Amino acid sequence: DVKVTQSSRYLVKRTGEKVFLECVQDMDHENMFWYRQDPGLGLRLIYFSYDVKMKEKGDIPEGYSVSREKKERFSLILESASTNQTSMYLCASSAYRDRGTTSTDTQYFGPGTRLTVL
Amino acid sequence: AQTVTQSQPEMSVQEAETVTLSCTYDTSESNYYLFWYKQPPSRQMILVIRQEAYKQQNATENRFSVNFQKAAKSFSLKISDSQLGDTAMYFCALTLLFGNEKLTFGTGTRLTIIP
Repeated sequence: DVKVTQSSRYLVKRTGEKVFLECVQDMDHENMFWYRQDPGLGLRLIYFSYDVKMKEKGDIPEGYSVSREKKERFSLILESASTNQTSMYLCASSAYRDRGTTSTDTQYFGPGTRLTVL
Repeated sequence: AQTVTQSQPEMSVQEAETVTLSCTYDTSESNYYLFWYKQPPSRQMILVIRQEAYKQQNATENRFSVNFQKAAKSFSLKISDSQLGDTAMYFCALTLLFGNEKLTFGTGTRLTIIP
């Protein structure tokens, strides 16, 4: 089974703090994604990465950065946390489409991190 | 750009009944995949079912089936013989076959199965 883990289930930070959210997957997936989930808005893509050291902005990248130094790990960084970044953050991974497997394009999700910024 | 719309924010149904969740989408592309994901109260999102747009046959997975109407850009999920464990948020999502491998999600439907 694919396993995607996130470093914390719950996190409370102060405004202005630098926040690191970590995600690790064990299926040798090339693609990794960071979403935020807010009631009534669904999941919105922040950043994704299709290879080590490669990243691409999603729909709402402002206020966030990412790091992917190793294939299995994808970090989301809030440089200076603000109260409007209070949200549920979900990480996901998937295999390259070119692999041509039946699970292509299926994303596997971590349990989420509930971040509260005070 | 792609959009996915789920017009039912909340639904409830009695246990053992059948329920249908609606999803419409918009894309100018003709090759894409569609998905239904389930997020139980414990928050781990899991795949329920997927449909390749080039396949006319509707996908089925046990009690879960879809009604895929490509011309109408509609992709509804039917849950038969609903069970208490089906209580969850359900998200419809789309990805283009020729493009980056992002998913576009709808806003979700909260489904409650009543004992």
